[in-house]
Amino acid sequence: GAVVSQHPSRVICKSGTSVKIECRSLDFQATTMFWYRQFPKQSLMLMATSNEGSKATYEQGVEKDKFLINHASLTLSTLTVTSAHPEDSSFYICSATGDAILGGGSPLHFGNGTRLTVT
Amino acid sequence: GQQVMQIPQYQHVQEGEDFTTYCNSSTTLSNIQWYKQRPGGHPVFLIQLVKSGEVKKQKRLTFQFGEAKKNSSLHITATQTTDVGTYFCAGRDSGAGSYQLTFGKGTKLSVIP
Repeated sequence: GAVVSQHPSRVICKSGTSVKIECRSLDFQATTMFWYRQFPKQSLMLMATSNEGSKATYEQGVEKDKFLINHASLTLSTLTVTSAHPEDSSFYICSATGDAILGGGSPLHFGNGTRLTVT
Repeated sequence: GQQVMQIPQYQHVQEGEDFTTYCNSSTTLSNIQWYKQRPGGHPVFLIQLVKSGEVKKQKRLTFQFGEAKKNSSLHITATQTTDVGTYFCAGRDSGAGSYQLTFGKGTKLSVIP
């Protein structure tokens, strides 16, 4: 089946530093990738949608200058948390699909997530 | 915007009992997907329903899509400890140009052996 690799799985950083999280589709071309945040015992909160070669679409309330998303190729998207603060500590998960932006129907394939702790 | 409500939030059942989680959308859906997230893991795709009134089965799991394509349910017969996890529904709005999934809050299932 389709595999999405997310790295790192855990990261601890100091307040004010930036952290980059990578999301790679290993055996399919991910036209669209999604980034989520998941708080303990809560659902997935969609942060942004990225399509290869174009700017990411951010959900309301998500700061695009703080959460930089780059989808430079059909197999790689990155999320950079800039100037991280303790309140950014969370579980970040990416997912990928081969659907085009106006397509529909294909399942999402999730990465294993990244546990970010900002001290 | 589109909202997807899922109930119950938690369910504790004795092993062997049945379990059902319900999903309701504020808008008509083009399709609905179900995912399972084991404790400490990531969501894994279970199934997709597309047609009005569709019913699909996977062993002890039965998935239904409502006639109006605004609600769905997942029913597990005779739960086992391996069924433990959080079950999420995710709906795709049928509006023109809609492509993203909206997730419900999930139902966390605990199975008491």
